[in-house]
Amino acid sequence: DIQMTQSPSSLSASVGDRVTITCRASQSISTYLNWYQQKPAKAPNLLISAASTLQSGVPSRFSGSGSGTDFTLTISSLQPEDFATYYCQQTYSTYTFGQGTKLEIK
Amino acid sequence: EVQLVQSGAEVKKPGESLKISCKGSGYSFTNYWIAWVRQMPGKGLEWMGIIYPGDSDTRYSPSFQGQVTISADKSISTAYLQWSSLKASDTAMYYCARRYSDSGAGYWYFDLWGRGTLVTVSS
Repeated sequence: DIQMTQSPSSLSASVGDRVTITCRASQSISTYLNWYQQKPAKAPNLLISAASTLQSGVPSRFSGSGSGTDFTLTISSLQPEDFATYYCQQTYSTYTFGQGTKLEIK
Repeated sequence: EVQLVQSGAEVKKPGESLKISCKGSGYSFTNYWIAWVRQMPGKGLEWMGIIYPGDSDTRYSPSFQGQVTISADKSISTAYLQWSSLKASDTAMYYCARRYSDSGAGYWYFDLWGRGTLVTVSS
């Protein structure tokens, strides 16, 4: 099975900050990598597919990059509504999620 | 409206059986795979398995193979997740989600999610 490891597990930041979350796959997954945002008591919401394709309706401050084993999700200027937990997911072989990164207000 | 509507919260005792549901509407239910995802209290997302309602082809995560059964009834656009004997460790929120791709080439993602079904197993 392909393992996905996110770092950090939690992160404190302020409104306006630039934030980067990293996701590493245990083997190469090309760009078969998605990012989701989950707010408390809500279902996850797809932000980015295929490593860098921003979904319709997702603010342009979100961006994704990477290929192979190393990927990043960047939020260019944090907004209050961005404080949530973020998950990466590989779809190269089945559908493994990373353990999540909780983004908290500093 | 395109949506997945999940059945309501359940409270069960260890050893009991349970079947929860996920009904799709607003799109061709039989043409898209439906996944089940577990989220234990305060924990992350775990993919459990996936079913193609058109022919009930089903795949399981090794972690959940033999622990749950995924099924579907395409005539009523509904997918199911069931347990024959619940354990306290099955206490979790369970989400169904539609697998989708707009680019082909295997670039799948879960674009449509149900609101989740909370299952509580306690004696």
